[in-house]
Amino acid sequence: GAGVSQSPRYKVAKRGQDVALRCDPISGHVSLFWYQQALGQGPEFLTYFQNEAQLDKSGLPSDRFFAERPEGSVSTLKIQRTQQEDSAVYLCASSPRRDTEAFFGQGTRLTVV
Amino acid sequence: SQQGEEDPQALSIQEGENATMNCSYKTSINNLQWYRQNSGRGLVHLILIRSNEREKHSGRLRVTLDTSKKSSSLLITASRAADTASYFCATEVTGFQKLVFGTGTRLLVSP
Repeated sequence: GAGVSQSPRYKVAKRGQDVALRCDPISGHVSLFWYQQALGQGPEFLTYFQNEAQLDKSGLPSDRFFAERPEGSVSTLKIQRTQQEDSAVYLCASSPRRDTEAFFGQGTRLTVV
Repeated sequence: SQQGEEDPQALSIQEGENATMNCSYKTSINNLQWYRQNSGRGLVHLILIRSNEREKHSGRLRVTLDTSKKSSSLLITASRAADTASYFCATEVTGFQKLVFGTGTRLLVSP
């Protein structure tokens, strides 16, 4: 596709359930980012991949959060034992290289009940 | 935590007026970018200004950067109702590739 694709668009999880969020970046983009956006706030950085290497995971809020990009293209953000405070929009972005614009997907809205 | 703070938090104007939003940040940067977010949608890139640039234009957008004051401004001229959205500044911090976003300005343009 022409842009960054995220699935699912909406996810309702029961507290304690595990979830997996998928991101298909723009083909050929080396860099991939995950962000978390709470209602009314700006996006908060979670983690960054350069190809398949996870170079920065400083923003992951706890060890319940795990991200991977095994073949340097599609990425999955997994949240184990979801809590209510995990409710947010999770945004994925990709870019072709440093010092350039990032292209964002539409996001996955996660609601933990 | 968020690097940037934007001012004002909310701005309400009439169509045809200009809108100015300001962004302040804390650390050394490679570049500063502005994004727009419509309700329920993803972020759309508007403009990127590098640390060695002072001003940049794109259509009705004008961005300035003052690295000595660690601040930037976004001017939207001749605003339209379709400009109604939240606007975020984001900085690529020196030594990192991640973008650190500000808190955003909610712009409402009334017909």
